[in-house]
Amino acid sequence: DTGVSQDPRHKITKRGQNVTFRCDPISEHNRLYWYRQTLGQGPEFLTYFQNEAQLEKSRLLSDRFSAERPKGSFSTLEIQRTEQGDSAMYLCASSSTGTSGSPYEQYFGPGTRLTVT
Amino acid sequence: ELKVEQNPLFLSMQEGKNYTIYCNYSTTSDRLYWYRQDPGKSLESLFVLLSNGAVKQEGRLMASLDTKARLSTLHITAAVHDLSATYFCAVGRGSGNTGKLIFGQGTTLQVKP
Repeated sequence: DTGVSQDPRHKITKRGQNVTFRCDPISEHNRLYWYRQTLGQGPEFLTYFQNEAQLEKSRLLSDRFSAERPKGSFSTLEIQRTEQGDSAMYLCASSSTGTSGSPYEQYFGPGTRLTVT
Repeated sequence: ELKVEQNPLFLSMQEGKNYTIYCNYSTTSDRLYWYRQDPGKSLESLFVLLSNGAVKQEGRLMASLDTKARLSTLHITAAVHDLSATYFCAVGRGSGNTGKLIFGQGTTLQVKP
């Protein structure tokens, strides 16, 4: 069991550029979540998928943000026309709705730290 | 709108002492989580509490849940320096046995030798 992985781990970009992050969940997990965490705060929910379906999006997620999970495996989070306020740690988590293992757990990846200059 | 509040937000304590972190939430939920985060790192799951009166212990940490009071506590016994970290509680929302988590602001624990 390799855990949740995210790529890249760090990204520095200039304001106005587009960035894309990738998340690979634990292989048997059908739910995948994106959260954003700014310095000194708890993570804030952005969106989540069950398989390839995007089930919920936070009001925090402006039109510049889009997430996909095309085959129900990995997911991408794209931010268009980045702003300095987008600087944060972007965390991915996965879980299973099945009954085996730890069905209530959400396992977090290492995160992608975005800095917008 | 569900709100999750932790207190204290910062806790400095001596090794060997006991202390409790409190987590209050504003609407009913059947899932309460505790996570640990070290600086610059991701979240490590500590406990998942699923029912009223649930108590779980791991080493020097013990978590409990009172769903009627909408309160969870994380008790630290005989603190050691390795416990220095930020601790988050989170409340589960949504359908099924998993769903989005709403986090508190975090409690930063500093254990001094």
